[in-house]
Formats: sequence, structure tokens, C-alpha cells
Amino acid sequence: DARVTQTPRHKVTEMGQEVTMRCQPILGHNTVFWYRQTMMQGLELLAYFRNRAPLDDSGMPKDRFSAEMPDATLATLKIQPSEPRDSAVYFCASGTRGIASPSGNTIYFGEGSWLTVV
Amino acid sequence: DQQVKQNSPSLSVQEGRISILNCDYTNSMFDYFLWYKKYPAEGPTFLISISSIKDKNEDGRFTVFLNKSAKHLSLHIVPSQPGDSAVYFCAASAFAGGTSYGKLTFGQGTILTVHP
Repeated sequence: DARVTQTPRHKVTEMGQEVTMRCQPILGHNTVFWYRQTMMQGLELLAYFRNRAPLDDSGMPKDRFSAEMPDATLATLKIQPSEPRDSAVYFCASGTRGIASPSGNTIYFGEGSWLTVV
Repeated sequence: DQQVKQNSPSLSVQEGRISILNCDYTNSMFDYFLWYKKYPAEGPTFLISISSIKDKNEDGRFTVFLNKSAKHLSLHIVPSQPGDSAVYFCAASAFAGGTSYGKLTFGQGTILTVHP
């Protein structure tokens, strides 16, 4: 049963510390997304990649967040320095584009990384 | 500017009855719509979708209706079961070629509770 894998599942850290979240997309998927869920904002897109190239990171605070795909099986989201307002659940999702069909827009989510910054 | 809105934060339904979850959108470029279900401590899971060329899509107990003129879609669950209790997210995408793929805009979610 193919699934998106995220680590860590839970992280509590102190303000100012660096946090790195990792994601292993479903094998064969060429598009990877980072979403953040907060009570106030719901699910918001932070960044996404296709074939490891960043396509859009306009939803991500540039000064402290960075997202990369070192290879096709690993995506990372880094926060440095972390702040209490970064406390949220961070979801990674992956998908594969269908052949010129809207149905290719279905993406599959991991279980999330629950981040608490104190 | 919230382009996808789910105005009901919660819905409570009796087992066996119909659950109707609503979603409104403002961006006329959206042409593909999805519903995701989310249980606590899990990621959202894909439930059902509909393309703008259709007005209805059915999958078992789940039916999604799309009214493009009203920019409104709804998810019907019939009959509702206690296991359907979860948060339901509406999402929309503009399939305008490659770069838009998967760039889903989500609503705030509706908490559905189905009582036995």
C-alpha cells in the first residue's frame, strides 16, 4: 500500500531552534507539495515541486522557511529560526500528473508532522 | 481573500440520514473540485472529485454536485454512518496547464458528526 511518509510525526522545540521536516513521496510520483494546517488558516499551500524543481513557493515565509528536494525520494522543509507562530501540522503530499486531464489533480497526503514551538 | 469557503464549521446528523456538506468558491478559473476527509491525527484522504464539465459525480454513498453558475458544490452522504464522522475539506484547482497541477485551494473544513 503506497503512501507518503513524513518524519518526524511530532516535534516540540524551543523558539529559535532549527526544525527540519522530511517527506518521502509515493514512488513514481513526480509532484510534491507542502501544506500547513492551522486553526486560523485551514490548509494552506507552502510550496510545491515537479520533477524536483520548485514551481511555486509563494505561500512560504521566505525569511525563515526553505524547501528542497535533494532527490526524487526526499523532500525537506526547514524552518530556521523557528517561532511559536510556526506551530502547526505540516503535511506533505504527492501526485502524478495525468495525461492532460484534470483528474490528474488528485494528490495524496502523508500523516503530517505536528510541530510545537515553545 | 478566501477563494474556497465552507461556511458551516460543523454538522451533526443521525445515522442513516443524509449528510449535506456545502462549499462555495469565488475563482471562476477553478475547473476541478475535490473532497477530502480527515480523521484526527491523520492526513487528509481523497474522497471524491468532479470536473467542471460535469454537474454530478457519484461513488457509492457519496455524491458531489456542482453548480457552476452559483459557484457552489455540495457533498451528499447517503446513508450517513458513524464512521463518516470526520473533518471534510472542499478543495479546488484551476487546470490551466502544467504549472497549476495539484495547486489545491482548500476550504476551512466542516466537522461532521454522525450519531448512532
